[in-house]
Amino acid sequence: SQTIHQWPATLVQPVGSPLSLECTVEGTSNPNLYWYRQAAGRGLQLLFYSVGIGQISSEVPQNLSASRPQDRQFILSSKKLLLSDSGFYLCAWSPSGVRMANYGYTFGSGTRLTVV
Amino acid sequence: AQSVTQLDSHVSVSEGTPVLLRCNYSSSYSPSLFWYVQHPNKGLQLLLKYTSAATLVKGINGFEAEFKKSETSFHLTKPSAHMSDAAEYFCVVGNTGGFKTIFGAGTRLFVKA
Repeated sequence: SQTIHQWPATLVQPVGSPLSLECTVEGTSNPNLYWYRQAAGRGLQLLFYSVGIGQISSEVPQNLSASRPQDRQFILSSKKLLLSDSGFYLCAWSPSGVRMANYGYTFGSGTRLTVV
Repeated sequence: AQSVTQLDSHVSVSEGTPVLLRCNYSSSYSPSLFWYVQHPNKGLQLLLKYTSAATLVKGINGFEAEFKKSETSFHLTKPSAHMSDAAEYFCVVGNTGGFKTIFGAGTRLFVKA
């Protein structure tokens, strides 16, 4: 069966420090991968999605970047965190070759990031 | 263009009474529609999905939703609320041709004993 792992679960970082959040998927090949952010009291905002290794689409210009160095690994990074980067970050996957519309996402358990 | 509107930011029910969470959508394409549930500090879990098959969709934990094209609605219901249903619920619309989706703002469900 497929599983998705996301870590760390919580993170407190000072302003100006770097960030690296990791997400891995097991049990499938070439998944579509997504990073979402959920700010306090707001809905989910799609940050990045990837349909293959090295293929990253950015939805919102910001202080963050994403990379996909391996088929089932998706990394969210920042060189210098801002206070506004605080939020709940969620990784998700959907099967390749199947539009999300027919399947839906499977989400990771999330990372609570607090920038202080 | 696509959009989704969850009509209530908060819904409060008593345990054992019916639950109704309302969702309206707008889509230029034949939509696919989903409901997700999120418990505090957890990821989102798929409750159910509509992808142009039966208009009444049954999901997990006793939830169901009915797709009404004429009303552009996809309301989520449950006959009898349980304390464990207290969570935030998201209605999602996706078009059949794309990878991206639109999430509603969420409805927080409170269940009173």
